[in-house]
Amino acid sequence: ETGVTQSPTHLIKTRGQQVTLRCSSQSGHNTVSWYQQALGQGPQFIFQYYREEENGRGNFPPRFSGLQFPNYSSELNVNALELDDSALYLCASTWDTGELFFGEGSRLTVL
Amino acid sequence: AQSVTQPDIHITVSEGASLELRCNYSYGATPYLFWYVQSPGQGLQLLLKYFSGDTLVQGIKGFEAEFKRSQSSFNLRKPSVHWSDAAEYFCAVGVSFSGTYKYIFGTGTRLKVLA
Repeated sequence: ETGVTQSPTHLIKTRGQQVTLRCSSQSGHNTVSWYQQALGQGPQFIFQYYREEENGRGNFPPRFSGLQFPNYSSELNVNALELDDSALYLCASTWDTGELFFGEGSRLTVL
Repeated sequence: AQSVTQPDIHITVSEGASLELRCNYSYGATPYLFWYVQSPGQGLQLLLKYFSGDTLVQGIKGFEAEFKRSQSSFNLRKPSVHWSDAAEYFCAVGVSFSGTYKYIFGTGTRLKVLA
């Protein structure tokens, strides 16, 4: 158990819709990051939030956005869904160490 | 550029045989290194990690890995594979990023175990 929980575990959307994925981190974890894992691939870094501010982004377009809240929860929002957005989305949190603690992920299917 | 290479996409071994999964990385500083296992439809489970110190690290489920700085490698080993080890294995490098760390993952090695 990593203490990081994600919801929902599975969801299905259609192209063009918007989706919000949620993550609850361990108490005291001031950094949360999100990863996308497409089928047959390793996870890819989307972005990172530190003390409620985005402080780093991977190679993902602006329609991927996020929020981090003071209660150690966070959200990943994806607008204008595309078929290629179908993936497992992983949330990870840490507290200024080099070790990330991953949740079980939210599996998104875009039809 | 920072990268992680897992040269073997698929590996098949017989139950009871030894296993070695290869991982090479490209990173200018001393990296944090990780191995994760993922069963179908599941999240990532941490097998072991290397931050510093002894270059041979022990993990869960009987796995070990050795950090070789000269070869930029962090290969995962197990002396005797069990059928339940069949899964996908990911090597990852933790790199310094915006005051904290992000992980760069390899593309994974899918392990099949023959009875």
